[in-house]
Amino acid sequence: AQKITQTQPGMFVQEKEAVTLDCTYDTSDPSYGLFWYKQPSSGEMIFLIYQGSYDQQNATEGRYSLNFQKARKSANLVISASQLGDSAMYFCAMREKTSYDKVIFGPGTSLSVIP
Amino acid sequence: DAGVIQSPRHEVTEMGQEVTLRCKPISGHDYLFWYRQTMMRGLELLIYFNNNVPIDDSGMPEDRFSAKMPNASFSTLKIQPSEPRDSAVYFCASSWRAGEDTQYFGPGTRLTVL
Repeated sequence: AQKITQTQPGMFVQEKEAVTLDCTYDTSDPSYGLFWYKQPSSGEMIFLIYQGSYDQQNATEGRYSLNFQKARKSANLVISASQLGDSAMYFCAMREKTSYDKVIFGPGTSLSVIP
Repeated sequence: DAGVIQSPRHEVTEMGQEVTLRCKPISGHDYLFWYRQTMMRGLELLIYFNNNVPIDDSGMPEDRFSAKMPNASFSTLKIQPSEPRDSAVYFCASSWRAGEDTQYFGPGTRLTVL
């Protein structure tokens, strides 16, 4: 069964606009971490933002914020003021304590920023 | 810190040949992960180590794949014999601790098996 779901295979956003990339997850572990990574066309995997299951506040890192809704098991990434350089694949990932800290990635969302 | 180092960056080989991919994690990191990325299957976790010990190898596709971590600063992923369907980008990643700690990825090795 899919533990990480990213329902948007491809997204388009106008430059300078905000965009939300969806991520839902499935776990019964009370202790877990959620991550977002960016993979540009050059291929490297770049860490963007982290949210812990016990964190009370939503994580923010510059233009990136994570809309964490624990009861709904969703961890959507919000990118504000999109830039052309934001065009990339975006992966949501989860790390579960009871799975010996195994990390599972979602299928990814391709974001294209339009000038 | 130099980050996670992988070698080679590109490998082209013929079907049936042995392939060895190498990874040097970030110094001090306790966890090391091997991933494979293809268009069809996305990013798959193959195996990961904690303190040089394999914890979960359930993602290793078949017996042709093996991975070792003889010490804290070096790991190998070996494919013998290689097949065209093994063509993919192989990533190594490391992290310091469990739980909230972020994985840092190497640049990847692009493997092409002809």
